[in-house]
Amino acid sequence: GAVVSQHPSRVICKSGTSVKIECRSLDFQATTMFWYRQFPKQSLMLMATSNEGSKATYEQGVEKDKFLINHASLTLSTLTVTSAHPEDSSFYICSAISPDSGNTIYFGEGSWLTVV
Amino acid sequence: QKEVEQDPGPLSVPEGAIVSLNCTYSNSAFQYFMWYRQYSRKGPELLMYTYSSGNKEDGRFTAQVDKSSKYISLFIRDSQPSDSATYLCAMTRTGNQFYFGTGTSLTVIP
Repeated sequence: GAVVSQHPSRVICKSGTSVKIECRSLDFQATTMFWYRQFPKQSLMLMATSNEGSKATYEQGVEKDKFLINHASLTLSTLTVTSAHPEDSSFYICSAISPDSGNTIYFGEGSWLTVV
Repeated sequence: QKEVEQDPGPLSVPEGAIVSLNCTYSNSAFQYFMWYRQYSRKGPELLMYTYSSGNKEDGRFTAQVDKSSKYISLFIRDSQPSDSATYLCAMTRTGNQFYFGTGTSLTVIP
């Protein structure tokens, strides 16, 4: 199946700093990628849909100025958590639609963010 | 009403049992159906993908879609402790917007 790589898998940052998480489709081009947040023992919460070459579409309640998403190429989307606070600590997961695999999506391994 | 309903469990079965996981949905326009397995602290992994109604088998896993009942199932035969995970169903109409179940937590006891 298609491979989506996410980096870093774990990151600890100080409160007030920014942190960037990368999502790469390794063996296919992804015009659309998604970013999710997941709290322990809860389902995926869609944060935004990222389209290559255009602005991301954010879900209601997600602060676009806090969670900056850039989809600069067909294989890379980035999520930057700006001015991070402890409440931003969470598991962030990206996914990408593989056009060669029909209408299905593949997920990255996830990134654990801890803000101290 | 949620677009996709999935019993969160938890579900606990002995090793070797047949496991049945289910989701119901409300939007008859959904055409593509997926099952994902998510281990603790990892991203979801695609297990099965089906289009429209019917069955699909892959090793110990069988996915069924009944569009007339708006009901999908994932069966796991000869369950193993390594199958212990959370299983998510997902579906889409066009491939641009995906809807997920809340996930069912499964534990297979040796």
